[in-house]
Amino acid sequence: AQTVTQSQPEMSVQEAETVTLSCTYDTSESDYYLFWYKQPPSRQMILVIRQEAYKQQNATENRFSVNFQKAAKSFSLKISDSQLGDAAMYFCAYRSARSGGSNYKLTFGKGTLLTVNP
Amino acid sequence: GAVVSQHPSRVICKSGTSVKIECRSLDFQATTMFWYRQFPKQSLMLMATSNEGSKATYEQGVEKDKFLINHASLTLSTLTVTSAHPEDSSFYICSASWYLETQYFGPGTRLLVL
Repeated sequence: AQTVTQSQPEMSVQEAETVTLSCTYDTSESDYYLFWYKQPPSRQMILVIRQEAYKQQNATENRFSVNFQKAAKSFSLKISDSQLGDAAMYFCAYRSARSGGSNYKLTFGKGTLLTVNP
Repeated sequence: GAVVSQHPSRVICKSGTSVKIECRSLDFQATTMFWYRQFPKQSLMLMATSNEGSKATYEQGVEKDKFLINHASLTLSTLTVTSAHPEDSSFYICSASWYLETQYFGPGTRLLVL
């Protein structure tokens, strides 16, 4: 079974600074997807970024980028120019690339609570 | 991104009654829908996976007779909490995806059982 570990329960960053959230995972599969989701106080889960394991290039979405190290099974999220609206719980998630039934489910880490200080 | 709605957003019910929560994919067809439960300051716990037109697959430890899931169409799944008790009070979240595409989440339903 796959596991996802987020070793930082809480992080804080100054507004306009850069912060990196860590995520490691364990799997025996070679093809899979990795995600970062954000859950602000409203509790709506919002997709931040997605990475396909077969792609060597790290995914980026505006101020959000990842450092995907497949051999090390590491998938960190970098937030540049942090804004007050970035304050939220961030979840790292894994999903198999196999088709069918339970393979579509996400395995989540425990989350990292990010505080942005003005 | 795609939009998933949930209704109601908040519900209070008496112990022993049943509550139905709806999850709709508004702008795409969802071959698979998922139901999660989330306790305060914790991660999401998957309860079950449902594929359109077939029976839901429940995670270990989740009572399928208590949490009834129906996925009758490609845009609607329902979760019914039967004979609810105070320990069922929680935040329930659904998500939807088209096969291997990204899962999109609904805004959640806060259930309080008195």
